Amino acid sequence: DGGITQSPKYLFRKEGQNVTLSCEQNLNHDAMYWYRQDPGQGLRLIYYSQIVNDFQKGDIAEGYSVSREKKESFPLTVTSAQKNPTAFYLCASSQSYNSPLHFGNGTRLTVT
Amino acid sequence: DAKTTQPTSMDCAEGRAANLPCNHSTISGNEYVYWYRQIHSQGPQYIIHGLKNNETNEMASLIITEDRKSSTLILPHATLRDTAVYYCIVRVANQAGTALIFGKGTTLSVSS
Repeated sequence: DGGITQSPKYLFRKEGQNVTLSCEQNLNHDAMYWYRQDPGQGLRLIYYSQIVNDFQKGDIAEGYSVSREKKESFPLTVTSAQKNPTAFYLCASSQSYNSPLHFGNGTRLTVT
Repeated sequence: DAKTTQPTSMDCAEGRAANLPCNHSTISGNEYVYWYRQIHSQGPQYIIHGLKNNETNEMASLIITEDRKSSTLILPHATLRDTAVYYCIVRVANQAGTALIFGKGTTLSVSS
């Protein structure tokens, strides 16, 4: 079945360490997105990419980095510069700007 | 910033219609209205979207007012599994550098 795979589902890291969250899609979608969700809050946009080798900052990009070397992959690195990295991270993709987003089931990151 | 306003929470009896309102008074002529829902600790699920005409699919109906400043998502026969957070979002079509911006949504509680 086509879809978006985020791994791992749960991730634990020590403060000061960089960590990379995986997002893979086999839907052949051009656009991919990363959102962050905190308890009781909506989703906030971190980064998005419309095409391979291109990406734009969202509302809360500070402390995060991304790459888009392949169409099907859009990994997110949470760096030590991110002040409050503990959150639920969601990856999504869409065929075009008119198309609905398809979401993965998220990665819950805990940094202690 | 989210460009939509939704009630924080709503209740609905099982088997009854759930009508979820959304205000998007600053919507532009080329912006679509999208609805998603999120069940706890999962990725959001696409429900429906529309531009100016009312839309219906197997999940729900979307009623958009003639001035497009508000809309209503209708779940015709709510079940317990429809308990979720529902997000109303506006999105610009065919414009580079944009993405879906989520607000806090409406928590719908369906009870028997």
